[in-house]
Amino acid sequence: SQTIHQWPATLVQPVGSPLSLECTVEGTSNPNLYWYRQAAGRGLQLLFYSIGIGQISSEVPQNLSASRPQDRQFILSSKKLLLSDSGFYLCAWSVLGSNQPQHFGDGTRLSIL
Amino acid sequence: EDQVTQSPEALRLQEGESSSLNCSYTVSGLRGLFWYRQDPGKGPEFLFTLYSAGEEKEKERLKATLTKKESFLHITAPKPEDSATYLCAVSSAGANSKLTFGKGITLSVRP
Repeated sequence: SQTIHQWPATLVQPVGSPLSLECTVEGTSNPNLYWYRQAAGRGLQLLFYSIGIGQISSEVPQNLSASRPQDRQFILSSKKLLLSDSGFYLCAWSVLGSNQPQHFGDGTRLSIL
Repeated sequence: EDQVTQSPEALRLQEGESSSLNCSYTVSGLRGLFWYRQDPGKGPEFLFTLYSAGEEKEKERLKATLTKKESFLHITAPKPEDSATYLCAVSSAGANSKLTFGKGITLSVRP
């Protein structure tokens, strides 16, 4: 069966510090991968998605970037965090096809001080 | 642009009191409608996919239905452990596997 891992579960960072959140998927090959941010009362906002190694699409211009160095690894990064980057970050995967559900990790709660 | 609206925003039920959660959508060429359950501090857990009007799916006390404009998640005789936020999402023909999510409905079931 397929599993998805995200870490860390919680993170407290000072403003201006760098960020690296990692997500890995097991039990499937060539998944679509997604990064979301969830803010209270605002629903899930898609940040990045990837259909293959090195192929990243950005949905919202912002202070973050994403990379996919391996087939089942997706990384969310920032060079300098802003206060507005605080939130709950979720990674998800799906098989190819627009009628397929996405499956989520347990998220990272990021607090910027 | 795909749109999803869920109502009500919050719902409080007594244990055993059945009810329905609504998800209204506007898409150009529906490919799938998805229901998720999310517990506090956790990622959404996939529940159902519905593909065409008239389709129904069931899992324990939950039953999801679909029309051309909306979906309902019916909860029969809920228990306190059904308390969670329920999210609805749609995928459309031009969305390239991306989903559009509603803001969710927070369900509280009192014992």
